Amino acid sequence: DGGITQSPKYLFRKEGQNVTLSCEQNLNHDAMYWYRQDPGQGLRLIYYSQIVNDFQKGDIAEGYSVSREKKESFPLTVTSAQKNPTAFYLCASRDPGGSSTDTQYFGPGTRLTVL
Amino acid sequence: DQQVKQNSPSLSVQEGRISILNCDYTNSMFDYFLWYKKYPAEGPTFLISISSIKDKNEDGRFTVFLNKSAKHLSLHIVPSQPGDSAVYFCAASAGTSYGKLTFGQGTILTVHP
Repeated sequence: DGGITQSPKYLFRKEGQNVTLSCEQNLNHDAMYWYRQDPGQGLRLIYYSQIVNDFQKGDIAEGYSVSREKKESFPLTVTSAQKNPTAFYLCASRDPGGSSTDTQYFGPGTRLTVL
Repeated sequence: DQQVKQNSPSLSVQEGRISILNCDYTNSMFDYFLWYKKYPAEGPTFLISISSIKDKNEDGRFTVFLNKSAKHLSLHIVPSQPGDSAVYFCAASAGTSYGKLTFGQGTILTVHP
């Protein structure tokens, strides 16, 4: 049963702490993406990776970091430098070689609340 | 600069009628367009897409129309069902953008029984 998993579903952290959000996919997709969603807004791109050991900044990368050591995993770290970290975080993946090459498939999301 | 806009924050429709959700874009480099459906606290689910070489794509109750000259696309759902109640996002990508999607703000669709 292929898909994207994000854990945990809900995460609470104290201000000033770094936190890492997990994203795993078993779809064998090369490309992976991180977005955040705030109330009343669309999804905004944080980071993306086209292939293992490579990643690029998206539109709102400040205060975030990522790694892509394995094809199936793309963890996102929210650092203390991120001014407004409370949000709903979504991970997605894409198969660049597939028939619908720009279609991204999303995980269930992680709701991060910084207290 | 919002390149993809959904100007209607919400839409209310009676069950069995047609729902029409609209989306406008400004970037003429966009060549692939998608619609996603999202429930609260869940990830978006892909619904339907259209390439810029087409002006219509249909999948069951869902049809997407693309008007390139007006830089406008719409999603038609017919007949609408209460289970269609969700937030709908349109998204666009340009062939040179490594698959990056630009999303609209979303439209909340409510289908009343």
